[in-house]
Amino acid sequence: GAVVSQHPSRVICKSGTSVKIECRSLDFQATTMFWYRQFPKQSLMLMATSNEGSKATYEQGVEKDKFLINHASLTLSTLTVTSAHPEDSSFYICSAPEVGQSYGYTFGSGTRLTVV
Amino acid sequence: AQSVTQLDSQVPVFEEAPVELRCNYSSSVSVYLFWYVQYPNQGLQLLLKYLSGSTLVKGINGFEAEFNKSQTSFHLRKPSVHISDTAEYFCAVSELTGNQFYFGTGTSLTVIP
Repeated sequence: GAVVSQHPSRVICKSGTSVKIECRSLDFQATTMFWYRQFPKQSLMLMATSNEGSKATYEQGVEKDKFLINHASLTLSTLTVTSAHPEDSSFYICSAPEVGQSYGYTFGSGTRLTVV
Repeated sequence: AQSVTQLDSQVPVFEEAPVELRCNYSSSVSVYLFWYVQYPNQGLQLLLKYLSGSTLVKGINGFEAEFNKSQTSFHLRKPSVHISDTAEYFCAVSELTGNQFYFGTGTSLTVIP
């Protein structure tokens, strides 16, 4: 089946620095990528939707200047957490629609971000 | 708007016993329904999904779920659990015409030896 490769799986960064998370679709083209955030013991919350070649759409309450999303190609979408703070520590997961499948979505393996 | 309720945040069950994880949803339109499993520090893996047709859906790892439109429920069941089923389980819905998923808060299933 379709695979979305997400890197890094874990990252620890200092407060004030920026971190980039990549999601690559393998063997299929992902024109759309969904970015979710999951706090401990909570559910996944949609942050933003990226579309190849256009600006991302952010959910209410998500700072677009802090969470920069780029979808420059049909196989790569990136999320950059700028000027990270400890409250940004979370589990970030991307998801892309499965091409040719009956309404399915493939999820990346997630990135555990810890800001110290 | 859609919402998903998973009433049980934690479910402990003995090995080889049956289990049911409950999911109720609220929506003004027709939806697709999903169950995902998440192992520690991993992404989500699709267990099963209901799009249309038979209301009893069979998924991977011996799980099944039944869509009940009148009760707006999509409970997940397994007749005999294994230690390896210990994980977090998420119920989710999606509109027929949209791409956004709405997730429940998850149910932590712990299988006790």
